Amino acid sequence: EVQLVQSGAEVKKPGESLKISCKGSGYRFTDYWIGWVRQMPGKGLEWMGIIYPGDSDTRYSPSFQGQVTISADKSLSTAYLQWSRLKASDTAIYYCARHSSGPYNWFDPWGQGTLVTVSS
Amino acid sequence: EIVLTQSPGTLSLSPGERATLSCRASQSFSSSYLAWYQQKPGQAPRLLIYGASIRATGIPDRFSASGSVTDFTLTISRLEPDDFAVYYCQQYGSSPEYTFGQGTKLEIK
Repeated sequence: EVQLVQSGAEVKKPGESLKISCKGSGYRFTDYWIGWVRQMPGKGLEWMGIIYPGDSDTRYSPSFQGQVTISADKSLSTAYLQWSRLKASDTAIYYCARHSSGPYNWFDPWGQGTLVTVSS
Repeated sequence: EIVLTQSPGTLSLSPGERATLSCRASQSFSSSYLAWYQQKPGQAPRLLIYGASIRATGIPDRFSASGSVTDFTLTISRLEPDDFAVYYCQQYGSSPEYTFGQGTKLEIK
């Protein structure tokens, strides 16, 4: 079974750093792009960026470029999303999702989500 | 950047009724790049449709979708209690760039 399992909920203070993870299993991790999606409280889905673990090729949404860093460790079959200095506005649920291969473009499956709460 | 506008924002229907959800794009793009997702409270999104009209594995045939160019539709033929959720369309653009619609909440009337 193809599965993405994300790290647990985090509570942080503004200005702190954070790195959350997304571990893939049930498939060759290096063969599929992994995307990250933000969902702020009560809001919709926003694409943040995507990484190809095979060579760490990474693309960012202009809205998130410079705000976060996406990385991957193929030896651990794990992708990461990190912040160097969190803001209260980073409070959200963050999902990772595997990107399709072939001519279509979709995300499936999704991780269960990581809730990040940033509050003083 | 392509903007996806979903309508209506909220749709109130009863089980057994037919639901029609719309996703309109600000520019045309290939229908191969349009997907639909369902999200229930407290859960991650689930892929329903890709390539504008192809049901994902395990998705019941009461879900169907169509459309091209700038207008896309998701139809649920006979609503079941489990179908009440938020639905998002998503498109892929070059760069790459992925855009989601703002969502349609399907609620029980």
